[in-house]
Amino acid sequence: KAGVTQTPRYLIKTRGQQVTLSCSPISGHRSVSWYQQTPGQGLQFLFEYFSETQRNKGNFPGRFSGRQFSNSRSEMNVSTLELGDSALYLCASSVTGTWTEAFFGQGTRLTVV
Amino acid sequence: DAKTTQPTSMDCAEGRAANLPCNHSTISGNEYVYWYRQIHSQGPQYIIHGLKNNETNEMASLIITEDRKSSTLILPHATLRDTAVYYCIALLNNNAGNMLTFGGGTRLMVKP
Repeated sequence: KAGVTQTPRYLIKTRGQQVTLSCSPISGHRSVSWYQQTPGQGLQFLFEYFSETQRNKGNFPGRFSGRQFSNSRSEMNVSTLELGDSALYLCASSVTGTWTEAFFGQGTRLTVV
Repeated sequence: DAKTTQPTSMDCAEGRAANLPCNHSTISGNEYVYWYRQIHSQGPQYIIHGLKNNETNEMASLIITEDRKSSTLILPHATLRDTAVYYCIALLNNNAGNMLTFGGGTRLMVKP
């Protein structure tokens, strides 16, 4: 079966712009989580959506937001980009969000210049 | 979720077993031990998980001590493709929200 698909794979944006990243989970998976990975901070949890509702949120500013659609696809948005937002953004999907093995996408590499 | 401690890096010869330790001395009785790995520039990949019994699958074996304060991930015949960062995570199996907390992990270098 198809894995978790994230688009785009690479993105370059200018400071102050906004960006939207997309994640298509594995068919049948209703939970989508987003993570930010940087060399300095490692892998950090952003938020998790289940059945179009945000259930958990990490410690990130309000510039980071997300949503989930009825087909379980999810988007995350970052407004007013800062240089420090340059990172690999990963999404993970699972069946219900209660803990089973999460399947990760390849990530979107965002560079803010 | 319990904190885990792993060595920063390890080397292993190709074809030999790689034994990656993890300390989780504060783990509670209903927390599972999960292992993931991340190959450079890819998303993390699930390897194996267990509660108290040893587990084996096609990728690896997981040995959990009787007191559950530590565990070892074993890659029986390491290949160059196993070079990656390995993360050990302890969490409740019903942790709604997939709120994984990854520590620093162990950077495994498999050498020819």
